Amino acid sequence: AQSVTQLGSHVSVSEGALVLLRCNYSSSVPPYLFWYVQYPNQGLQLLLKYTSAATLVKGINGFEAEFKKSETSFHLTKPSAHMSDAAEYFCAVRLNSGGSNYKLTFGKGTLLTVNP
Amino acid sequence: EAGVAQSPRYKIIEKRQSVAFWCNPISGHATLYWYQQILGQGPKLLIQFQNNGVVDDSQLPKDRFSAERLKGVDSTLKIQPAKLEDSAVYLCASSLDAGQGLRQPQHFGDGTRLSIL
Repeated sequence: AQSVTQLGSHVSVSEGALVLLRCNYSSSVPPYLFWYVQYPNQGLQLLLKYTSAATLVKGINGFEAEFKKSETSFHLTKPSAHMSDAAEYFCAVRLNSGGSNYKLTFGKGTLLTVNP
Repeated sequence: EAGVAQSPRYKIIEKRQSVAFWCNPISGHATLYWYQQILGQGPKLLIQFQNNGVVDDSQLPKDRFSAERLKGVDSTLKIQPAKLEDSAVYLCASSLDAGQGLRQPQHFGDGTRLSIL
């Protein structure tokens, strides 16, 4: 079965520091992977997605993620954190739920806090 | 374009009562999803509609939860009777197609926060 594991439920960084949010996947077939962001009291917003094209994926708000098959990882990074990046981040994998149906399975999330 | 609209934003009920949530997807989006997000967890898909037909309801607790999308546009999710463990945020999302975000992203509403006393 395919799933994702997010390492670290809470990450705290200083403004201007590197952001690294970790996600590992388990999959018997090449996965499709996503990162979503959720701001307080809001729904989820897609940051970026990996669909087996380039292994380095660039998303919105300066975020990017690299798909590493050898490490079964899809970590999210941003070179310089901004106060507005404070939010919860979810890694997700697309699963086949039978026939031609698919669904997203989300990790438990990582709360990012940015200190001034 | 207008986003996914959900109401109410907050609801507090006692256990064993019933509750209903409403979702209006983005105009033209054929696929509609209901997710349950329990505190400290990622969203879990409850049900997926393609137009007015159910594509996946494998994780919907059918003894107490029901959902409909009669005209293929807006949708309602109902819980009857509610249990304490149903306390969560219920998110609605929509997308142009059913590819789960490969070609067209899912757009999420702001959710309904349900508290069961």
